[in-house]
Amino acid sequence: QQQVKQSPQSLIVQKGGISIINCAYENTAFDYFPWYQQFPGKGPALLIAIRPDVSEKKEGRFTISFNKSAKQFSLHIMDSQPGDSATYFCAAIGYNQGGKLIFGQGTELSVKP
Amino acid sequence: DAGVTQSPTHLIKTRGQQVTLRCSPKSGHDTVSWYQQALGQGPQFIFQYYEEEERQRGNFPDRFSGHQFPNYSSELNVNALLLGDSALYLCASSLLHAGEQFFGPGTRLTVL
Repeated sequence: QQQVKQSPQSLIVQKGGISIINCAYENTAFDYFPWYQQFPGKGPALLIAIRPDVSEKKEGRFTISFNKSAKQFSLHIMDSQPGDSATYFCAAIGYNQGGKLIFGQGTELSVKP
Repeated sequence: DAGVTQSPTHLIKTRGQQVTLRCSPKSGHDTVSWYQQALGQGPQFIFQYYEEEERQRGNFPDRFSGHQFPNYSSELNVNALLLGDSALYLCASSLLHAGEQFFGPGTRLTVL
């Protein structure tokens, strides 16, 4: 019930294309869903996050879509660029979970020029 | 603002040794969480500290212990190192009950 399942494991997209990464969760106590971007040898960087009271949040080229009834959320990267090539992690946390972020398994994105 | 800082950057130890990793949180943050990230995996929660107390613990053995100081900085200690402890150790800082956690660059621990 604590798991967050992420897919795909890897993704290759052409420059200018749309990258889509999906996540699913079971625990309905989760109330905050961040996405992190991680480059090799670096720590994860908070990219964008959403709470379950909204269905979509957009920041620049990055959009989170949230489906509370299906317990699914996804990250869309519009106009993908080679500099977006990184590993992306979805995560979830609940107010009463004691600060424990639960991460998905990660998606390695490669944007080809 | 320097963000979350961690030291050292890299560390090589042998089995059975002990190691201490250090973290300074973002200015204004009072809560520090530690995560272990094995190669090719997502970070796994070790524990969280607030007001110098361990607030919650993940599924890690007692060989993993920590401390938080009055200035909110924190240490992670691992005793009796095993080969499987080789990983990137990440520190994240936040405000208590805030969902946003900001990660440091990590300490790469290699156990030989």
